[in-house]
Amino acid sequence: ELKVEQNPLFLSMQEGKNYTIYCNYSTTSDRLYWYRQDPGKSLESLFVLLSNGAVKQEGRLMASLDTKARLSTLHITAAVHDLSATYFCAVVPRTGNQFYFGTGTSLTVIP
Amino acid sequence: NAGVMQNPRHLVRRRGQEARLRCSPMKGHSHVYWYRQLPEEGLKFMVYLQKENIIDESGMPKERFSAEFPKEGPSILRIQQVVRGDSAAYFCASSTSGRESYEQYFGPGTRLTVT
Repeated sequence: ELKVEQNPLFLSMQEGKNYTIYCNYSTTSDRLYWYRQDPGKSLESLFVLLSNGAVKQEGRLMASLDTKARLSTLHITAAVHDLSATYFCAVVPRTGNQFYFGTGTSLTVIP
Repeated sequence: NAGVMQNPRHLVRRRGQEARLRCSPMKGHSHVYWYRQLPEEGLKFMVYLQKENIIDESGMPKERFSAEFPKEGPSILRIQQVVRGDSAAYFCASSTSGRESYEQYFGPGTRLTVT
């Protein structure tokens, strides 16, 4: 069974600090996605990573993909309160089209 | 261009009733996916449909659940004889094509509560 694991599951950090969320997956894939979800809301697409070594940055968030290690990271730089949300990674295996979501990382940024 | 639309946004059903969830994909999108999110969990794939065809229903429970995407009108996820364990948020997503499309756009979700 395909597994997508994120860690940590819960993250509480102070404003201004840096941290990294990890997403490990158990299948061959070259498509990985990061989403943000606010409580009671839908998913907001953050990044689409389509090749080994892909790195994308938007504001205080930067995502990278290592397909050989089956690992993606979401790095948060100088966190601000507005980043508090749950972050999901999702993987699409090479054979197939459905998204497999990670367990989610609930991030709380403390002022 | 309106995004993916789902209705109702909230649905309350008693045990044993039927729940019908609707999803209208983005304009120009012919592929629809349904996902279920239990509290405090990630989204789990249920079914993938194109117009009038079910492409992959490997994530769908074998009983009580069905989905369709008719030639005209929205995609519908139907849950018969609901039980408390069906309480969840149900999201649909749409894309322009299958594997060639890299993006799935998610709707706001339908939150089903079974009492």
